[in-house]
Amino acid sequence: SYELTQPLSVSVALGQTARITCGGNSIGSKNVHWYQQKPGQAPVLVIYRDSDRPSGIPERFSGSNSGNTATLTISRLQAGDEADYYCQVWDTTTAIFGGGTKLTVL
Amino acid sequence: QVQLQESGPGLVKPSQTLSLTCTVSGGSVSSGIYYWSWVRQPAGKGLEWIGRIYTSGSTNYNPSLKSRVTISVDTSKNQFSLKLNSVTAADTAVYYCAREEGYGRKFDDWGRGTLVTVSS
Repeated sequence: SYELTQPLSVSVALGQTARITCGGNSIGSKNVHWYQQKPGQAPVLVIYRDSDRPSGIPERFSGSNSGNTATLTISRLQAGDEADYYCQVWDTTTAIFGGGTKLTVL
Repeated sequence: QVQLQESGPGLVKPSQTLSLTCTVSGGSVSSGIYYWSWVRQPAGKGLEWIGRIYTSGSTNYNPSLKSRVTISVDTSKNQFSLKLNSVTAADTAVYYCAREEGYGRKFDDWGRGTLVTVSS
């Protein structure tokens, strides 16, 4: 079965740029979606189809996908960006989530 | 703006069946644009997709849970439901219902989640 690998944690200083990776075999050939989840809340879609932003998501959030790695980039980090982030793809008719990355804003 | 709301027992005994319902408002489960999914999350752990249903009743399930899961839809009540049988403590989790936008295949709306504990 298809697997997605994310770092357990990423720590970045306030105002800097965070990059969260999502690894998978030829993930570049798939559409990758990213979700933000804050404690006690449901996930929220922040990036879809590799690099598109839903309405209401700041331009500071961007995504890329190539080869075996997809990346979520958050620029000009704010304290409110501290959360867990999950990547997700479809393996034919099965949704696969990465294990999640805890982003800490220093 | 669509809203999804999970409901059902918060406590289920081991070996019994977990049953949850998701009520959709501000949108229709009969829409041909969307699929309707269940996702769960054990405390402190990641997200696990359980399965989905289309308005026609067509379903897809996570292979790891397929033998124990049934998802159904009631278009007259604008609801879809989850049944997970033979539960164990490992099924204790927050259960979310979510809407999948069919073209982009992204989960664009989620319920707030409901905690289900499996314990005697």
